[in-house]
Amino acid sequence: GENVEQHPSTLSVQEGDSAVIKCTYSDSASNYFPWYKQELGKRPQLIIDIRSNVGEKKDQRIAVTLNKTAKHFSLHITETQPEDSAVYFCAAKGGGNKLTFGTGTQLKVEL
Amino acid sequence: SQTIHQWPATLVQPVGSPLSLECTVEGTSNPNLYWYRQAAGRGLQLLFYSVGIGQISSEVPQNLSASRPQDRQFILSSKKLLLSDSGFYLCAWEDSWGAFFGQGTRLTVV
Repeated sequence: GENVEQHPSTLSVQEGDSAVIKCTYSDSASNYFPWYKQELGKRPQLIIDIRSNVGEKKDQRIAVTLNKTAKHFSLHITETQPEDSAVYFCAAKGGGNKLTFGTGTQLKVEL
Repeated sequence: SQTIHQWPATLVQPVGSPLSLECTVEGTSNPNLYWYRQAAGRGLQLLFYSVGIGQISSEVPQNLSASRPQDRQFILSSKKLLLSDSGFYLCAWEDSWGAFFGQGTRLTVV
């Protein structure tokens, strides 16, 4: 089955800096890669996603890149703000038709 | 637009009691449905997923079960709760537009 690894587990950046979270997946048939933001005590919220026919997607300060050959994808947050502090999860949908999540990254944006 | 309803939001149950959590989806047809559990400060553990009515795949052997009696209804059950069943239970649906979570049920087994 699909295996998704996510790094780092914790990330601390200064306000205004960029943050990058990386994920790798094992199933070469995976075709859908969403990213979620989870604030304390709340449900994960979909913030951006990318499909296997696209290499990069951007939405304001958030971007996701996908390298199918290397089987990894990354979340990039530019000009970080305190409200970006949360846990971020990557996920991949493999050939088994189910969504598998990474273990999460605790992002802290410091003033 | 698609919406997902999950209830209750919080639940306190004694050890050994039964459990039934329900999730319904509106505005979509034949979605994939998921149940996840999240311990405090931890990641998302996939419990069950379903690609259609009556089709349930179990990811973790335990005292929980799931059923999908209708296309847009997904139910998580237990006959006898354990202390270790405490956690944040999340239902999710997925279709061609993406995957989205319900509000979650915070279960405390005492």
